[in-house]
Amino acid sequence: AQSVTQLDSQVPVFEEAPVELRCNYSSSVSVYLFWYVQYPNQGLQLLLKYLSGSTLVESINGFEAEFNKSQTSFHLRKPSVHISDTAEYFCAVSGPLTHQLTFGKGTKLSVIP
Amino acid sequence: DVKVTQSSRYLVKRTGEKVFLECVQDMDHENMFWYRQDPGLGLRLIYFSYDVKMKEKGDIPEGYSVSREKKERFSLILESASTNQTSMYLCASDVRRDQPQHFGDGTRLSIL
Repeated sequence: AQSVTQLDSQVPVFEEAPVELRCNYSSSVSVYLFWYVQYPNQGLQLLLKYLSGSTLVESINGFEAEFNKSQTSFHLRKPSVHISDTAEYFCAVSGPLTHQLTFGKGTKLSVIP
Repeated sequence: DVKVTQSSRYLVKRTGEKVFLECVQDMDHENMFWYRQDPGLGLRLIYFSYDVKMKEKGDIPEGYSVSREKKERFSLILESASTNQTSMYLCASDVRRDQPQHFGDGTRLSIL
């Protein structure tokens, strides 16, 4: 069985400050890791994904996440946040042996002007 | 771009009613999923389907059923709606397990 823990349910941060949203997973097999973002009154959108290869993955809007196998983590970072980054962020895990995508409980990022 | 369309954004029904939530995707994806989203609980998988007429239970299938008669359409059915099924329901699809799921905008269902 696989599981995902997002350690912070809410993260307030000032505009242009850096942010890290934490995600830890548990799985007995190799994993695929995803970060999704949900803006108010919308469905989820893929932010970035790790399947294999380079452990650092980047999105087009300045977010990045690093896969750390020894610490079973996939933390999301951005060096300078904007008001438009205010949203809920979900970490998710699946793998080659399962089609089921398991989500964390989400982290609400609030960017303060 | 992949488009996943859920038939209703908001729906209000009464307890005991049979409720149908419809989802259509336009990218010929094999796999489709129904989740419910509740504050503090994240997304939980209700059912998924990997082919026409095929279905698999997710983590919380009790009180729900599904139908997939055509590849592009996946329906979630609440056989006899109850107040604890008040929630946001999200439909998603993907082409294979190493590719991201594409989500609809959700249906906010209230059972009175």
